[in-house]
Amino acid sequence: DGGITQSPKYLFRKEGQNVTLSCEQNLNHDAMYWYRQDPGQGLRLIYYSQIVNDFQKGDIAEGYSVSREKKESFPLTVTSAQKNPTAFYLCASGNYEQYFGPGTRLTVT
Amino acid sequence: GENVEQHPSTLSVQEGDSAVIKCTYSDSASNYFPWYKQELGKGPQLIIDIRSNVGEKKDQRIAVTLNKTAKHFSLHITETQPEDSAVYFCAASKTDSWGKLQFGAGTQVVVTP
Repeated sequence: DGGITQSPKYLFRKEGQNVTLSCEQNLNHDAMYWYRQDPGQGLRLIYYSQIVNDFQKGDIAEGYSVSREKKESFPLTVTSAQKNPTAFYLCASGNYEQYFGPGTRLTVT
Repeated sequence: GENVEQHPSTLSVQEGDSAVIKCTYSDSASNYFPWYKQELGKGPQLIIDIRSNVGEKKDQRIAVTLNKTAKHFSLHITETQPEDSAVYFCAASKTDSWGKLQFGAGTQVVVTP
């Protein structure tokens, strides 16, 4: 997992609530990413950020929002607009060689 | 956009045998191909990668080969051990797209003693 931390490891929320997942890195990487992983599937890109105060939508950005106020931090908010929020969320950093955090398993009921 | 297909979806091997996982990609401009190993409940770990100016790369028991003409690349694990059991993902990206990786669906490798 290198120098990337995600918290919490498990998160439970009621439907209709927004929830924010934390991602911090001390690898001095410019680029950071958020992926979603569903059972038996590969990783799908939600958002990515190349530099501070800038970010772009990935393949499945609907229902999610991000911010990049500091180089070290890239929090992801799962909003109530996300239709199927229950998933394993992975944060990564690095320009070409991406290094992943340990993940946050979000369960929404 | 890029599409990466990975086969097989599951692979069972006897300890000591070799395992091979194959991936194909669609975008001929892709030039960076990493492989990740993911253990249950953990984040993926980068185990080896290859760039398009290289045909083969080896690191101890792991090797990756790339055929740019056919647009496919493969992961080879020799002398498999029980700790090699995990899900392996291939991915592809273009180095001018800031590491936007397109992942394959993954291969569950089970090494039986």
